[in-house]
Amino acid sequence: AQSVTQPDIHITVSEGASLELRCNYSYGATPYLFWYVQSPGQGLQLLLKYFSGDTLVQGIKGFEAEFKRSQSSFNLRKPSVHWSDAAEYFCAAGETGAGSYQLTFGKGTKLSVIP
Amino acid sequence: DVKVTQSSRYLVKRTGEKVFLECVQDMDHENMFWYRQDPGLGLRLIYFSYDVKMKEKGDIPEGYSVSREKKERFSLILESASTNQTSMYLCASSPHVAGGSNTQYFGPGTRLTVL
Repeated sequence: AQSVTQPDIHITVSEGASLELRCNYSYGATPYLFWYVQSPGQGLQLLLKYFSGDTLVQGIKGFEAEFKRSQSSFNLRKPSVHWSDAAEYFCAAGETGAGSYQLTFGKGTKLSVIP
Repeated sequence: DVKVTQSSRYLVKRTGEKVFLECVQDMDHENMFWYRQDPGLGLRLIYFSYDVKMKEKGDIPEGYSVSREKKERFSLILESASTNQTSMYLCASSPHVAGGSNTQYFGPGTRLTVL
């Protein structure tokens, strides 16, 4: 069955430190990949997406993600975290091919930032 | 910018009441989705619709129904609310393009409490 795994439930980093959030997927073929962010009490906002091409994807708010086919991973990174980055982050994947509409979401990683 | 709106941010209902959650999108998207979000469980798909009057069950449709009479509006109905339906409900929409699952755009969510 298709699945998306975010191994870390909660991560705490100091402001200014670098960040990497892990995401692994299990799909028959390389899926489309997404990272979303959710601030407390809000909906999800798209950070970035990977459909094909360059495996390093740039997103909003200074985030980037790297697709590694050999590791079935799509990890999210930021070189220097700001206090406003404290939120919950969701990785998602969707099938390629006509007639595919759904995304499968990971369970999320909650990021806390220490001033 | 894509805008997805949900009729209420917070809602309190009593057990046994019929509850309507409304979602409207302004980008002429074909696909619309209803999720519920619970701590530790991530997002779970309740129903989705890929066209007017069309609907498909998601992972947890029991106790819910949906209605899509107009392209921009997708309603989630709890026929007889129960306390285990207390949750955050998120609506999303996405364009229907060839090639597979596409970016979903989310509303702000409705936090429903059933007493």
